[in-house]
Amino acid sequence: GAGVSQSPSNKVTEKGKDVELRCDPISGHTALYWYRQSLGQGLEFLIYFQGNSAPDKSGLPSDRFSAERTGGSVSTLTIQRTQQEDSAVYLCASSPWTGETQYFGPGTRLLVL
Amino acid sequence: DQQVKQNSPSLSVQEGRISILNCDYTNSMFDYFLWYKKYPAEGPTFLISISSIKDKNEDGRFTVFLNKSAKHLSLHIVPSQPGDSAVYFCAASTGYALNFGKGTSLLVTP
Repeated sequence: GAGVSQSPSNKVTEKGKDVELRCDPISGHTALYWYRQSLGQGLEFLIYFQGNSAPDKSGLPSDRFSAERTGGSVSTLTIQRTQQEDSAVYLCASSPWTGETQYFGPGTRLLVL
Repeated sequence: DQQVKQNSPSLSVQEGRISILNCDYTNSMFDYFLWYKKYPAEGPTFLISISSIKDKNEDGRFTVFLNKSAKHLSLHIVPSQPGDSAVYFCAASTGYALNFGKGTSLLVTP
């Protein structure tokens, strides 16, 4: 079956611009996660959605970052007023339920010039 | 503060031999541990996991060992194959958020 998909696969933007990253989870998966991987680092947890519950935003690095999940499916991660340190690979994952194995998408490579 | 550490950035092993990848963690509350494999320009792929109530889990050529007293996790690949060449990430969690190490790049040479 189809895995987690993300778009765009690559994004180059100028410092100060806003960007939106999209994630389509595996159909039927109720839990959705965003992580990012900066150069030379491990994956860093950003935000978690479970069904219609309030998301856990504890990993978001600043208030320039926000995410939403519409209809319990597709999710959008928005970064406002991008900075060069936001350059990273942003990865989305989904799991059937909380605590189950997370399956990752291919990621969006963001470069802020 | 890095709670999951993979102290070897790279490892080179001959085809057919055993590959041993190591991982240390600091948070004694972690109760679920996973290994992911990542090829360039792809997302991480789940490989194998172990819960804290076990000390070993095996799946084909892959075995994960957990030593809770030492807060140490290892992945054994036997026999290693050239297709195993990738970056391997160790991850740990107490609930849903995964804490990842920085990865170990494994190269299996023919």
